[in-house]
Amino acid sequence: AQKVTQAQTEISVVEKEDVTLDCVYETRDTTYYLFWYKQPPSGELVFLIRRNSFDEQNEISGRYSWNFQKSTSSFNFTITASQVVDSAVYFCALSEEWNTGKLIFGQGTTLQVKP
Amino acid sequence: EAEVAQSPRYKITEKSQAVAFWCDPISGHATLYWYRQILGQGPELLVQFQDESVVDDSQLPKDRFSAERLKGVDSTLKIQPAELGDSAMYLCASSFLGDTQYFGPGTRLTVL
Repeated sequence: AQKVTQAQTEISVVEKEDVTLDCVYETRDTTYYLFWYKQPPSGELVFLIRRNSFDEQNEISGRYSWNFQKSTSSFNFTITASQVVDSAVYFCALSEEWNTGKLIFGQGTTLQVKP
Repeated sequence: EAEVAQSPRYKITEKSQAVAFWCDPISGHATLYWYRQILGQGPELLVQFQDESVVDDSQLPKDRFSAERLKGVDSTLKIQPAELGDSAMYLCASSFLGDTQYFGPGTRLTVL
């Protein structure tokens, strides 16, 4: 069965610190997609990244970077030089079937960045 | 920038009353999803539409929940009667052919 685990419930850092959010997934499929979404206090889920199971290249987008390792079934997210605006709940999600696209979400990690 | 629209943003109701939520997906997105997010948890899929057809409603409590997308564009999710345990955020998302899902602002439901 598919499952996404975000073991860190809450993380608190001081501005400008680097922070890594962990995500571990379980799936029996060889073709799947991994996502990260950000949920600020307003409630809307904001799409950050989508990665397919055949592309293990790490990705960097500004202060954000993602490390995908199939060997450990992990898809970790790092924020470099964190800012107060990064404070939010971050969700990792898994989609196994291209044609239906159902997302399986982790429990989320609440990130608090203090000034 | 195209967005998913939802209304109302907030809804307070008493138990046993009927409530309805509306969602308008991004133009051209044939796939529409309704998720429920209980406080402190990740969203869980309630129902998925491909155009006007239901693709997956396995987690929809069909004794009290119903969803429709009559013309394959906007959608309505209804709860009747509402129960205390239905208090949650109801999120709508849309995607183009099962690609990345984009979410609306959600409807926060409180059942008293």
